Amino acid sequence: GGIITQTPKFLIGQEGQKLTLKCQQNFNHDTMYWYRQDSGKGLRLIYYSITENDLQKGDLSEGYDASREKKSSFSLTVTSAQKNEMAVFLCASTDWGLGNTLYFGAGTRLSVL
Amino acid sequence: TQTVSQSDAHVTVFEGDSVELRCNYSYGGSIYLSWYIQHHGHGLQFLLKYYSGNPVVQGVNGFEAEFSKSDSSFHLRKASVHWSDSAVYFCAVAGAGGYKVVFGSGTRLLVSP
Repeated sequence: GGIITQTPKFLIGQEGQKLTLKCQQNFNHDTMYWYRQDSGKGLRLIYYSITENDLQKGDLSEGYDASREKKSSFSLTVTSAQKNEMAVFLCASTDWGLGNTLYFGAGTRLSVL
Repeated sequence: TQTVSQSDAHVTVFEGDSVELRCNYSYGGSIYLSWYIQHHGHGLQFLLKYYSGNPVVQGVNGFEAEFSKSDSSFHLRKASVHWSDSAVYFCAVAGAGGYKVVFGSGTRLLVSP
């Protein structure tokens, strides 16, 4: 088995601040994802990376940057935190053969003061 | 591009009841369909998936889902729910040959004792 580790678990930032969230997986999966989940709502795709050194924009990429430093890690940067913003950011990975399963981390909970 | 709709935001049933959680999608080609469960404070966990073959697929913990091309649906069912099934359930779709996975807004299932 493997695990996806997201750090930090909780992130408190100031308005306008640049904030970075990290995700590590030891599944040796090629494809990784970042989703944003707002309270009581579904997941919205921010960025995904099909393989190492690849980046693809999702439906919510504005205001974010991403970096796939190596196969096992995928970072997400909030370029300018918005006041009173609160959301959970979920990282996932998969090995795409035929619709393979996504494995998720526990999430990073962001609060902006 | 693919879209997915979960029309019921909340479903409440009693323990031992059967339940059906609805998922409808739109996409012009071959599609991967999945269901995930999210317990409070955790990431998502895979339940089951469909790509081709038998339209009724079995998942973990007694869950099953049925694909209908004519209705563009992939509804999740369980014959007899347990209190521990209380969680948020997400339907997900991905177009064949693509890596973008889109999630619905989720259905919160509450099982009363």
